[in-house]
This record gives sequence, C-alpha cells and structure tokens, in this order.
Amino acid sequence: DTGVSQDPRHKITKRGQNVTFRCDPISEHNRLYWYRQTLGQGPEFLTYFQNEAQLEKSRLLSDRFSAERPKGSFSTLEIQRTEQGDSAMYLCASSEDRVGSPLHFGNGTRLTVT
Amino acid sequence: GENVEQHPSTLSVQEGDSAVIKCTYSDSASNYFPWYKQELGKRPQLIIDIRSNVGEKKDQRIAVTLNKTAKHFSLHITETQPEDSAVYFCAASPPPPLSGGYNKLIFGAGTRLAVHP
Repeated sequence: DTGVSQDPRHKITKRGQNVTFRCDPISEHNRLYWYRQTLGQGPEFLTYFQNEAQLEKSRLLSDRFSAERPKGSFSTLEIQRTEQGDSAMYLCASSEDRVGSPLHFGNGTRLTVT
Repeated sequence: GENVEQHPSTLSVQEGDSAVIKCTYSDSASNYFPWYKQELGKRPQLIIDIRSNVGEKKDQRIAVTLNKTAKHFSLHITETQPEDSAVYFCAASPPPPLSGGYNKLIFGAGTRLAVHP
C-alpha cells in the first residue's frame, strides 16, 4: 500500500501524559496536513507543511500541540499534558505541490484520553 | 474565515433512488470544492471535486454542481446502491497564500447516507 500511513492506529492514555503520533505521506508529496476529527463532525484543519517548513497553524493548535517534519518526509504530532478534550481522531493527509492536487488521507490515529 | 454548512445531516433512500447533498460556503474567494466519502472506521476518500471555473462535473453515477453566485454546491448520486452507504463530507478551500496547490480544506459536518435494499 503506497498511501498515507499513520501510527499508531489507536492510543489510550491517561490525562496529563504526552503522546506522539507519526505520519508517513505518499513519497512524492511535498505538502503534509494534520486534521482532527471528533465524532459526528468533519475534519478540522490543524496545520500544514511544505517540505520541512510549517506554513500555517490553526488557532485550534494550542501550545500543548507541536508538529514537526524534520527532513521533509515523515511528520510527528505531539500533544503534551493531554486533556480529555483532546480525544479525537487525528488524520494526516498529503498532496503534491501543484494547483489542483487533491488531499489523500491516512486512516488516522484515534486518541482516547481517560 | 471560511465556513461550510452541509444539509441534510442524515439521508435515507431506497436502492435505485437518487440522493442529493447540499453545501453552502461563506468565502467568495474559495475556489476548490471536493467531496469525500468516509466509511465507518476508514479514511476519508475523495470521490469527486470541482473548481470554481466549472459549473458541473460528472463521474459515472456521481455529479457535482457549483453555483458561485449563490455560494453553494451539491453532490448528486444516481441509482444508489447499498455500498454508497457512508458519511459524505463537502469541503471548500480558500486560495493559498503561495502560488500553486491548495493549502487547506474547510469541511462541512457531514451527511450520513443510508441506502436500503
């Protein structure tokens, strides 16, 4: 499967713990996006990278959230001091860097904070 | 910023009937409108998209129409089948700050479509 892959698929953690998720985009895709999806809602934009540069961050991304893409390939999303409100599906997507290039989503990481 | 509203939230049809899902957007500068299908526990998958220089696009049983003046766009599925059952999301994308590409999508809340045999 050469699509977007995310790891882990599920994560259960206790409130206050730190968690880190990984995303491997489609190899030729320069742009990488993180979205968050809660039950019954559409995905909400969090941040995106063009190669290793983080070009935009949503106001939804509090200072407890940090995302990196150090070599312009895979990306990590870290949440520090998790809260119950952080429970959601975290989706990664990638696209080519050209007009009209659609977003391809991964299967997501489902985070449950107890 | 952009806001996308989607209706209805649930839609139930008989197999073979047509289904229509409607979305409105607020930012007249938005220029790209994709539709995604998400089955339970799976990733959102692009099924069709349309750009602001086009009024209608078809792909087999699926079509999308765009009315830029009214700022709304619709998904039409004809001859529905049970495997069409899923949640469908519309999205709009404001133009990026840099040339090329689309930097983010603003999604609607989704429509749960149930197709009954």
